[in-house]
Amino acid sequence: GEDVEQSLFLSVREGDSSVINCTYTDSSSTYLYWYKQEPGAGLQLLTYIFSNMDMKQDQRLTVLLNKKDKHLSLRIADTQTGDSAIYFCAETDSGGYQKVTFGTGTKLQVIP
Amino acid sequence: DTAVSQTPKYLVTQMGNDKSIKCEQNLGHDTMYWYKQDSKKFLKIMFSYNNKELIINETVPNRFSPKSPDKAHLNLHINSLELGDSAVYFCASSQEYSQKDEQYFGPGTRLTVT
Repeated sequence: GEDVEQSLFLSVREGDSSVINCTYTDSSSTYLYWYKQEPGAGLQLLTYIFSNMDMKQDQRLTVLLNKKDKHLSLRIADTQTGDSAIYFCAETDSGGYQKVTFGTGTKLQVIP
Repeated sequence: DTAVSQTPKYLVTQMGNDKSIKCEQNLGHDTMYWYKQDSKKFLKIMFSYNNKELIINETVPNRFSPKSPDKAHLNLHINSLELGDSAVYFCASSQEYSQKDEQYFGPGTRLTVT
């Protein structure tokens, strides 16, 4: 089955860049997503990338996809304390329906 | 004007009981989902319904039975609750049944089985 893995924890200083990494095993992944979960809340979609792209930028967020290595990263520029949350990467396969497989989540702690 | 709402937010119950969690979305979406998030924050899909029809049914015990009375509602009924059912359950919805459609998540229901 599909497997999506992330490191569990990342700590950065306010104003620095954060890079959250994700690896996946499903070579038929078509869409890859980054979700943010704030404490006590549901998940919010931050951004997504289609598998034929290698980079997508959206304001402070940059997504890099290395399809050959099955590696996805999320870079947050000028990290703020409000960015502290758990970040999940996720993927869907090409099976024609939206079964999303989530990663294990990375807890980002921003130190003022 | 909450998009995806769940009730209750917290549920504490004893082993062996039967309980239900309700989910409603007012976005006019066609597809709804239930996810389970365990204590390690691992999030796994349980069920997906599209236009009231079951589409995804992951390896979930028969004690869990989703019910979709209409497109806007997907309720989760759990029979004979076990300690291992303790988790946060998230409902979500998306416009269509396509891969790139954003899923909107509810706030979660924290279930504690004692």
